[in-house]
Amino acid sequence: GAVVSQHPSRVICKSGTSVKIECRSLDFQATTMFWYRQFPKQSLMLMATSNEGSKATYEQGVEKDKFLINHASLTLSTLTVTSAHPEDSSFYICSARTDRVGTDTQYFGPGTRLTVL
Amino acid sequence: SQKIEQNSEALNIQEGKTATLTCNYTNYSPAYLQWYRQDPGRGPVFLLLIRENEKEKRKERLKVTFDTTLKQSLFHITASQPADSATYLCALDLNQGGKLIFGQGTELSVKP
Repeated sequence: GAVVSQHPSRVICKSGTSVKIECRSLDFQATTMFWYRQFPKQSLMLMATSNEGSKATYEQGVEKDKFLINHASLTLSTLTVTSAHPEDSSFYICSARTDRVGTDTQYFGPGTRLTVL
Repeated sequence: SQKIEQNSEALNIQEGKTATLTCNYTNYSPAYLQWYRQDPGRGPVFLLLIRENEKEKRKERLKVTFDTTLKQSLFHITASQPADSATYLCALDLNQGGKLIFGQGTELSVKP
């Protein structure tokens, strides 16, 4: 099956610093990648949709200047949490989707646990 | 308002029994409904997808039903095993370029 990786798997940073999270599709080309955030015991909440070569589309309430998304190639999307604060501590998960005909499945990465001190 | 809800309480069952999980939604018209498994500290893993014109889908010990009139999907695991213990998420696909709306998940615990 298709594999999506994330790096790092966990990161601890000081308040005010920026953190970059990478999402890679390892064995397929992902025309679309999605970024989710999940707080403990809660559902995955979609933050933004990223298409290769174009600007990301953010969900209502998600600050695009705080959560910078770059989808530079068909196998890599990055999420940068700028000036992170303790309330940004969460589990960040990406997913990747290909536009091949007949494919409706998304493949999720293993997630990145961000802790902001 | 738009809502998607799953069994709010954890489900505890005995090994070998059938687990049935519920996903209800209001004010959505999904093209597809998907079920995922999520283990602690891990990303979701895709299990099954059912389309709006399908009533039932099976895969090995898993069965999903989809009733667009009741706006409900049921997810069954037959002959459950302790290894099936996890959180199960339902997700609505509104056919908007792959955007998924997730339920909060139901935690299943299968006791030996």
